Amino acid sequence: SQQGEEDPQALSIQEGENATMNCSYKTSINNLQWYRQNSGRGLVHLILIRSNEREKHSGRLRVTLDTSKKSSSLLITASRAADTASYFCATVPYSGGYQKVTFGIGTKLQVIP
Amino acid sequence: NAGVTQTPKFRVLKTGQSMTLLCAQDMNHEYMYWYRQDPGMGLRLIHYSVGEGTTAKGEVPDGYNVSRLKKQNFLLGLESAAPSQTSVYFCASSLRQGAYGANVLTFGAGSRLTVL
Repeated sequence: SQQGEEDPQALSIQEGENATMNCSYKTSINNLQWYRQNSGRGLVHLILIRSNEREKHSGRLRVTLDTSKKSSSLLITASRAADTASYFCATVPYSGGYQKVTFGIGTKLQVIP
Repeated sequence: NAGVTQTPKFRVLKTGQSMTLLCAQDMNHEYMYWYRQDPGMGLRLIHYSVGEGTTAKGEVPDGYNVSRLKKQNFLLGLESAAPSQTSVYFCASSLRQGAYGANVLTFGAGSRLTVL
């Protein structure tokens, strides 16, 4: 079963606009990560936020985490056509031993030039 | 560095045939994983390994076997392929849990398998 669920499943915006994707999860986490997948390629890690962090930035990416609501959001500012991709959240649970990374279904982002 | 390399990239099988997908990483990562990706299902973990000589089942292990004889290689085998195993398969690797960046996965480019 999927731990994270992204919302929306698809998003279409104009170049220059901001894109916001949300992720909800069910169990307590050690950290939450966001990955990008370009069409026909493997996933690429974007950013990791730990359970004791509330916000993190990396370039045009801003990630927030609300552990009380078990949710996270990924904001891409000033989007570019090259940002067109699918975006996945992945959760790493709080548990002893091996911590399994579980992926959501993803948000498909289209940035129109 | 090549990162994570998967072979083959594409393969068509007939029902009942067997095959092996090979994953190789050159980053000295302890952990390796095999996922499958299907439309509307996201990525689902098939099997994983936390070190050389060890393997464990993930979410959807039935119909697959794995081996990790060398630290850098993780093999995924289909003994008797079924149409339900038509999918894109991704291998990934990560550092040992507890190390800086632990559980940040590096993915291969994927292997597209079609079972007729």
